[in-house]
Amino acid sequence: AQKITQTQPGMFVQEKEAVTLDCTYDTSDPSYGLFWYKQPSSGEMIFLIYQGSYDQQNATEGRYSLNFQKARKSANLVISASQLGDSAMYFCAMREAGTSYDKVIFGPGTSLSVIP
Amino acid sequence: NAGVTQTPKFQVLKTGQSMTLQCAQDMNHEYMSWYRQDPGMGLRLIHYSVGAGITDQGEVPNGYNVSRSTTEDFPLRLLSAAPSQTSVYFCASSPTTEPVTEAFFGQGTRLTVV
Repeated sequence: AQKITQTQPGMFVQEKEAVTLDCTYDTSDPSYGLFWYKQPSSGEMIFLIYQGSYDQQNATEGRYSLNFQKARKSANLVISASQLGDSAMYFCAMREAGTSYDKVIFGPGTSLSVIP
Repeated sequence: NAGVTQTPKFQVLKTGQSMTLQCAQDMNHEYMSWYRQDPGMGLRLIHYSVGAGITDQGEVPNGYNVSRSTTEDFPLRLLSAAPSQTSVYFCASSPTTEPVTEAFFGQGTRLTVV
């Protein structure tokens, strides 16, 4: 069963507008972490933001915020004031910590295009 | 300030050939992992390690071997390359201090098997 779902294969947003990238996850582990990574066309993986399952507040990092809805198992990424440089693939990922070894599982990604 | 270093960046292999993808990190991280990235499938975990001498299989381990003799190095071996192994490979590392808030990725290796 797919543990990370990103239902938007591709998204378009106007420059300076806000955009929300969806992510839902599936786990029975009460302790887990959620990540968002950005992959520009150059190919490197860039860490954006992290949310722990016990964190009371939604994570924020500059223009990035994570809308964490634990009961819905949802961890959407919100990018405010989009810039042309935000055009990239975005991956949601989860780390489960309930077993002896920790693993990070990635979703299929969302391609974001920022339009001038 | 090297971080995670992968070599080579590009490689073309013939079916049946073997090779090793190198990964080294200089951050003294205990956790290291190998992923492959294929279009529409995100990153899939191949093998991972929580410390020197300890490795385990991820989602797609078939056709790949790993070993972890030192904290710094985590090579990935393809014993007999197949066209299905054409992919982009990423190595990642992260610390064990809780919470683990980030994995650091190498630049990736683009492998083509013909």
